[in-house]
Amino acid sequence: GENVEQHPSTLSVQEGDSAVIKCTYSDSASNYFPWYKQELGKGPQLIIDIRSNVGEKKDQRIAVTLNKTAKHFSLHITETQPEDSAVYFCAARRSFGNEKLTFGTGTRLTIIP
Amino acid sequence: GAVVSQHPSRVICKSGTSVKIECRSLDFQATTMFWYRQFPKQSLMLMATSNEGSKATYEQGVEKDKFLINHASLTLSTLTVTSAHPEDSSFYICSASNPQGGSYEQYFGPGTRLTVT
Repeated sequence: GENVEQHPSTLSVQEGDSAVIKCTYSDSASNYFPWYKQELGKGPQLIIDIRSNVGEKKDQRIAVTLNKTAKHFSLHITETQPEDSAVYFCAARRSFGNEKLTFGTGTRLTIIP
Repeated sequence: GAVVSQHPSRVICKSGTSVKIECRSLDFQATTMFWYRQFPKQSLMLMATSNEGSKATYEQGVEKDKFLINHASLTLSTLTVTSAHPEDSSFYICSASNPQGGSYEQYFGPGTRLTVT
């Protein structure tokens, strides 16, 4: 089955700087890669996703890049703010349908004011 | 984005009793919902996949008789923890797959904190 590795497990960034979180996946058939943000005591929130037919997607301060050949994808957050502090999870899925997501182990991001 | 609700948000029950958790998709119809369990500082562990009108598919190691899942409508799935024990205490989260536009993006509920005493 699919295996998703996520690094780093913790990341501290000065406010205003950029943060990058990286994930690798094992199943070459995976073609959907979402990123979720989870605040303490809450459910994960979908913040951005990318499909295998594109290499990059951007939404304001958040961007995701995908390298299908190397089987890795990354989350980029620019101009970080204190409210970006949370746990971020990457995930991978095989098809556009209702198949289950395989999650990474999470990255605890702390923005230092 | 699409909204998924869960009820209750917190529940405390005595050992041996059963607890039902509801998951609703508020602004879309979800043919598939997923139930996860999350331990502190860990990732989400998929328990089962719930399809409307059919039996749930449980992940390996998850007791189907202990964690009863019902997906009676396109907007509601329920998870019942039967004969709960302290080791069942956890954060339970559901998600619903939004089929609009063929995207099948998964949206999560806010979670239910279960404490078994």
